[in-house]
Amino acid sequence: EAGVTQSPTHLIKTRGQQATLRCSPISGHTSVYWYQQALGLGLQFLLWYDEGEERNRGNFPPRFSGRQFPNYSSELNVNALELEDSALYLCASSRYGVENYGYTFGSGTRLTVV
Amino acid sequence: QKEVEQNSGPLSVPEGAIASLNCTYSDRGSQSFFWYRQYSGKSPELIMFIYSNGDKEDGRFTAQLNKASQYVSLLIRDSQPSDSATYLCAVMLYGNKLVFGAGTILRVKS
Repeated sequence: EAGVTQSPTHLIKTRGQQATLRCSPISGHTSVYWYQQALGLGLQFLLWYDEGEERNRGNFPPRFSGRQFPNYSSELNVNALELEDSALYLCASSRYGVENYGYTFGSGTRLTVV
Repeated sequence: QKEVEQNSGPLSVPEGAIASLNCTYSDRGSQSFFWYRQYSGKSPELIMFIYSNGDKEDGRFTAQLNKASQYVSLLIRDSQPSDSATYLCAVMLYGNKLVFGAGTILRVKS
């Protein structure tokens, strides 16, 4: 079974630009979650998508947005990049009954804003 | 008050000893609790979950849950140098939101 895949592995952008990060969940998983892990900080919940809809959102500004496609893959967009957006962005997926199984994380995308 | 709190460590134990990691949470309505391990530069890996009061054992790992006191712990028996990592406690809140603590760094010395 293929795991959660994320692309690209690394991304370098200039302040003010837009970044697009992609995620493919495990086959059969319909929910996708995005987290930000900045250096020295814990995992911060960004977004949850299920069946193509945004279901929950963390305390991040609107310039963090995303979508989920019919094949359940997902995209995270960060507009007007700021230096403090530099972080590891982790995507996770879950099967039905997540309260019993938790999430499975991908390897992450390391975003560097210069 | 943070939703999930952990001692950042580092917690240093000798090889073969028992490592004890603790976590407290603030939402009394929380039902599911998870422990993830994260090696430096890698993504978190689920190692245990528990949702009933008491102990749950899986190999060298034992998760303990006390809902009345709102704490969760993870015991690692016969600690190995390969167990050296950051251990993240996570609590499932409403809306499938998994809230993580900041993590405890564990160092197992050979």
